[in-house]
Amino acid sequence: DSGVTQTPKHLITATGQRVTLRCSPRSGDLSVYWYQQSLDQGLQFLIQYYNGEERAKGNILERFSAQQFPDLHSELNLSSLELGDSALYFCASSVDQGGEQFFGPGTRLTVL
Amino acid sequence: QQQVKQSPQSLIVQKGGISIINCAYENTAFDYFPWYQQFPGKGPALLIAIRPDVSEKKEGRFTISFNKSAKQFSLHIMDSQPGDSATYFCAASDGRRGSARQLTFGSGTQLTVLP
Repeated sequence: DSGVTQTPKHLITATGQRVTLRCSPRSGDLSVYWYQQSLDQGLQFLIQYYNGEERAKGNILERFSAQQFPDLHSELNLSSLELGDSALYFCASSVDQGGEQFFGPGTRLTVL
Repeated sequence: QQQVKQSPQSLIVQKGGISIINCAYENTAFDYFPWYQQFPGKGPALLIAIRPDVSEKKEGRFTISFNKSAKQFSLHIMDSQPGDSATYFCAASDGRRGSARQLTFGSGTQLTVLP
């Protein structure tokens, strides 16, 4: 158990809908990262927050957004969902911006 | 230039054997190379990591070998056990300590250790 928690574990929704994925970092970690894992794209970095501020952006679609709250938990919002958004979404956390990243158990999103 | 190429895609090893997974990168700014282990239905778990100032790092049965001039690094699993059967990902990132770090992952290697 990495200490990173993610909810929900599974999410099934329809195309065009909007969902919110939640992540709580390990105690004491200030940095949160979001990754997407799919069969065709592999593990891809989406976005990073550090102490509430966006620090790095990867291959994140404009339909996706994220934020980190004062209590350091983070949410990833996915809107106008498409079939191709079906994937595992992982959150990771680290003590600082450059530290070792520890992954949560992921949220499996299925878009029907 | 951000890619990390990983091979083989799958690997079958007998119990007690040595498992070797290789990765190559192009971006010379990469300065942190972790390996992650992922079991089905779980998130990736950090196994071992290396920085380019050393050529080898060993932790238990797991060893990373790093060749800076060839821009290659590999994971060796000694005395492989059935419990090691999982998918292994190499990764790399650039940036000085304290800077934002995004991991660029290899495509993964599915390791099966036969009893």
